[in-house]
Amino acid sequence: ETGVTQTPRHLVMGMTNKKSLKCEQHLGHNAMYWYKQSAKKPLELMFVYNFKEQTENNSVPSRFSPECPNSSHLFLHLHTLQPEDSALYLCASSQVSDMGEQYFGPGTRLTVT
Amino acid sequence: TQLLEQSPQFLSIQEGENLTVYCNSSSVFSSLQWYRQEPGEGPVLLVTVVTGGEVKKLKRLTFQFGDARKDSSLHITAAQPGDTGLYLCAGAWSARQLTFGSGTQLTVLP
Repeated sequence: ETGVTQTPRHLVMGMTNKKSLKCEQHLGHNAMYWYKQSAKKPLELMFVYNFKEQTENNSVPSRFSPECPNSSHLFLHLHTLQPEDSALYLCASSQVSDMGEQYFGPGTRLTVT
Repeated sequence: TQLLEQSPQFLSIQEGENLTVYCNSSSVFSSLQWYRQEPGEGPVLLVTVVTGGEVKKLKRLTFQFGDARKDSSLHITAAQPGDTGLYLCAGAWSARQLTFGSGTQLTVLP
């Protein structure tokens, strides 16, 4: 299934770096999501975009900045991250943001040193 | 905060055995989804259950939604090594939030 792609797949960055994660969905969906997956913790919803508009921000620190230029693309801009931000960052999409069936990308494994 | 507890956290069995994993909550969900995640990949949706008491079958996998829509189970018959993965349940309790459990890591040994 290559409906949702994410780049890069792996990223190592220092705490003073600025980097961006990219997600693209080829499914014609209107909603896109960012999740954080840490070891031994449930998936944490970070942001929801519906028709390019942000509809949810689950108290995510400002060092994570999302951008959704259109319904097919989603970015997560990272700056001055902390080591505890190391995790697998997953992008997902769905037809609409009613928490129906979501299709996930393969994730970006982020390590903050 | 809506919480989903999954059990067991880890399960290692031999090929051909049957198993059941559970997903429990004190909250009522409008629907519940099961996903499987393999190493290096994102979760893949297996099934969505909506009606209390609903049972759905997907080949050797049987999913059941509790009558009160607070719990669900996944039963695998004659497990195969290809069933190995992290099984996640996710409950929708509003149109704005999907809560995931922490998962059951299943390993099926040949």
